[in-house]
Amino acid sequence: NAGVTQTPKFRVLKTGQSMTLLCAQDMNHEYMYWYRQDPGMGLRLIHYSVGEGTTAKGEVPDGYNVSRLKKQNFLLGLESAAPSQTSVYFCASSYSGPFGGGEVSYNEQFFGPGTRLTVL
Amino acid sequence: QQQVKQSPQSLIVQKGGIPIINCAYENTAFDYFPWYQQFPGKGPALLIAIRPDVSEKKEGRFTISFNKSAKQFSLHIMDSQPGDSATYFCAASPLHSWLMEYGNKLVFGAGTILRVKS
Repeated sequence: NAGVTQTPKFRVLKTGQSMTLLCAQDMNHEYMYWYRQDPGMGLRLIHYSVGEGTTAKGEVPDGYNVSRLKKQNFLLGLESAAPSQTSVYFCASSYSGPFGGGEVSYNEQFFGPGTRLTVL
Repeated sequence: QQQVKQSPQSLIVQKGGIPIINCAYENTAFDYFPWYQQFPGKGPALLIAIRPDVSEKKEGRFTISFNKSAKQFSLHIMDSQPGDSATYFCAASPLHSWLMEYGNKLVFGAGTILRVKS
């Protein structure tokens, strides 16, 4: 199993350009997430999806759009990139329900390797 | 508004030392508290997690201590090694976060950069 994969790994954009980040998972997870990671600010949720065809806003959704046309893929789009969107972007996926027996890891999110985006 | 406050921002210890990373939260609905470990150039990965029905959980050299009344939890790394050098994130999620409308979302702390010197 490849787990969670992200493409591309690196990208440099000019202000105003657009791009799409692709996330794919092969674990049959219902839930998927997009985060951005900035120094001193931890991981902040941009958008998430609880199933194919659904999306919802996270903590910092402005300037981003997402789509989940297939269960295994979650796309993050930047329509008009701004320097404030320079960041490292992580995709993650998760199981959709608890496990029996008091399993504490049912909320575990599995992360991809990240995409480093620079907007000039 | 940061729902989970993590400290310190960075930490340097000697090999064999016991680094301690602390987190505090306000939302009493939180009932699941994981720690994630992230090596440079990689995505975060679950290290250890705890529910508030226990005050401590150990997995190998890693221990979570949980104080429900103070709404604080901490990560201790026993006999730390240079290979433990990484960024550590605490996180929290509320009861029944697996319900579809919530989507298993986690609230992350700001992270602690740990360096273990050999």
